[in-house]
Amino acid sequence: KNEVEQSPQNLTAQEGEFITINCSYSVGISALHWLQQHPGGGIVSLFMLSSGKKKHGRLIATINIQEKHSSLHITASHPRDSAVYICAVTKGSNYKLTFGKGTLLTVNP
Amino acid sequence: DAGITQSPRHKVTETGTPVTLRCHQTENHRYMYWYRQDPGHGLRLIHYSYGVKDTDKGEVSDGYSVSRSKTEDFLLTLESATSSQTSVYFCAISIPGQGAKSSYEQYFGPGTRLTVT
Repeated sequence: KNEVEQSPQNLTAQEGEFITINCSYSVGISALHWLQQHPGGGIVSLFMLSSGKKKHGRLIATINIQEKHSSLHITASHPRDSAVYICAVTKGSNYKLTFGKGTLLTVNP
Repeated sequence: DAGITQSPRHKVTETGTPVTLRCHQTENHRYMYWYRQDPGHGLRLIHYSYGVKDTDKGEVSDGYSVSRSKTEDFLLTLESATSSQTSVYFCAISIPGQGAKSSYEQYFGPGTRLTVT
């Protein structure tokens, strides 16, 4: 079993819909990261969380340390949000990441 | 943009040849990483460095070596390339984030697409 599990693997939405991507982890962590990767593109850090909730524009990330669970929400989704969203955790020393396999989001106009 | 470049960006090579990928950063950050990204596996850590000449293995280090002789450069070498090493390789650095002392955010380079034929 992977240490970081994401769901769903694939998600298709209509423009304007509210989107939720989930991440569960099975190890103790010092931080959880949400990353975005557009097709053929580089990897961009969206959020780093160790507790609570963060918001950037239409994106909201939450984490529940006791339940070892995080969610990424996108409000008023847009076709430009179409990308792979990757959950990753930092555990142990040297800040290296362990990744989930990603969620492919497609937002149709 | 954390000033990370990778070279080459694309490479095609033959099985059995050595290949070196370069990661360069402009801001003298201590922690650097090499990851590979493959369909069905996602991103996996190959090797990482926590200072000049200080490196350690990740989860998929077999067939790879690294060197870091100066802060700004982290080299990944495929000693004898195999088709299973066809992948996209990402370099990353960790930079202290705002807030808690233990929070470090990762920034990724643009990636190198390597094809081994």
